[in-house]
Amino acid sequence: GIQVEQSPPDLILQEGANSTLRCNFSDSVNNLQWFHQNPWGQLINLFYIPSGTKQNGRLSATTVATERYSLLYISSSQTTDSGVYFCAVLAYSSASKIIFGSGTRLSIRP
Amino acid sequence: NAGVTQTPKFQVLKTGQSMTLQCAQDMNHNSMYWYRQDPGMGLRLIYYSASEGTTDKGEVPNGYNVSRLNKREFSLRLESAAPSQTSVYFCASSLTSSGANVLTFGAGSRLTVL
Repeated sequence: GIQVEQSPPDLILQEGANSTLRCNFSDSVNNLQWFHQNPWGQLINLFYIPSGTKQNGRLSATTVATERYSLLYISSSQTTDSGVYFCAVLAYSSASKIIFGSGTRLSIRP
Repeated sequence: NAGVTQTPKFQVLKTGQSMTLQCAQDMNHNSMYWYRQDPGMGLRLIYYSASEGTTDKGEVPNGYNVSRLNKREFSLRLESAAPSQTSVYFCASSLTSSGANVLTFGAGSRLTVL
């Protein structure tokens, strides 16, 4: 099945810094989503982005489907950005199985 | 509009006991999913239901059974719980099972097996 790798596994930043999180996948996908899991465990969908670029406030995401990677950018980090960021993909070859990467744990220090 | 509701939120079992986790969605979604999340790890797909009346295995189905009771409800059953099944379980739903399907998650159910 498809492999999903996220990097870096952990990231510690000062408030106000910018960050880039990466998601690599091993097969062609027709669905890619980014999620934020807050410190209380709640999973919130940030972007549905199988290709192209989207922006939502301080967050933006880019997926280059032909090269099998996606990037999540966080600008001017705030402490509320802390948590774990996951990408999840649905491969063309995998019916309806949406597979998650292992996540990037982001800690923003005041 | 509650979204995806999971019950119970917390459960402690002894090895060998059985239990069922309940999940219901009120968004008229066709597809539903069960994931488990172990400490410090990502989510792994246990079972999914692409539409009412169908269920399929995910990445880690062993030790679990599911029932898609109707369009709204998708339950996960542990017949004989083992300590390795200690985890946080998440139910999710999406409008469709292919293409542009955005997952909406429940709050999670924390299960401890002693």
